[in-house]
Amino acid sequence: DIQMTQSPSSLSASVGDRVTITCRASQSISSYLNWYQHKAGKAPKLLIYTASNLQSGVPSRFSGSGSGTDFTLTISSLQPEDFATYYCQQSYSTPRFGQGTKVEIK
Amino acid sequence: QVQLQESGPGLVKPSETLSLTCSVSGGSISGYYWSWIRQPPGKTLEWIGYIYYNGGTDFNPSLKSRVTISIDTSKNQFSLKLNSVTAADTAVYYCARHASSSAKFDSWGQGTLVTVSS
Repeated sequence: DIQMTQSPSSLSASVGDRVTITCRASQSISSYLNWYQHKAGKAPKLLIYTASNLQSGVPSRFSGSGSGTDFTLTISSLQPEDFATYYCQQSYSTPRFGQGTKVEIK
Repeated sequence: QVQLQESGPGLVKPSETLSLTCSVSGGSISGYYWSWIRQPPGKTLEWIGYIYYNGGTDFNPSLKSRVTISIDTSKNQFSLKLNSVTAADTAVYYCARHASSSAKFDSWGQGTLVTVSS
């Protein structure tokens, strides 16, 4: 059973900041890693799939990188609408999500 | 653009069966995989299982013994049944779509809260 560990669990940042969230898999998952944005009471939104591919319609300030066990989601310039919780999810085997990273306003 | 909407009782008694339906609009249910995912209060998302439009299924091993997922392509709907529920099954339940068995969930419903309580 592949475990996903995200860090940090929360962070405070200001509009315009560069934000980086990391996700580590307990074993290699190649590039089978997706990232989602979730705002309370709303449907989660796919941002990045297979580690580095930007989902259609997602702003280019979002990017993903990594392979094997270590992955990163980067927001190059944080916007007001980006304050949310972000989840990684492995699709290599039984789908499993990380614990989430809550991005809050500083 | 495809839209998904969960529906069903918001309160279920312990030991009974939780039943939810996901209605798909703005697109066909055919050709895709359809999953149920839940999020207990204060916890992360947990994948429950999927059904392919042709009826093929796969489930999270931790829930497999209690889960049934079915599909009605004529109504563009699919459904979840989770039996023998306990308070630990209290969660927001989401339905979601993916294009392959390698689950990349590209469309989600807004979720529905189901509380297990007597």
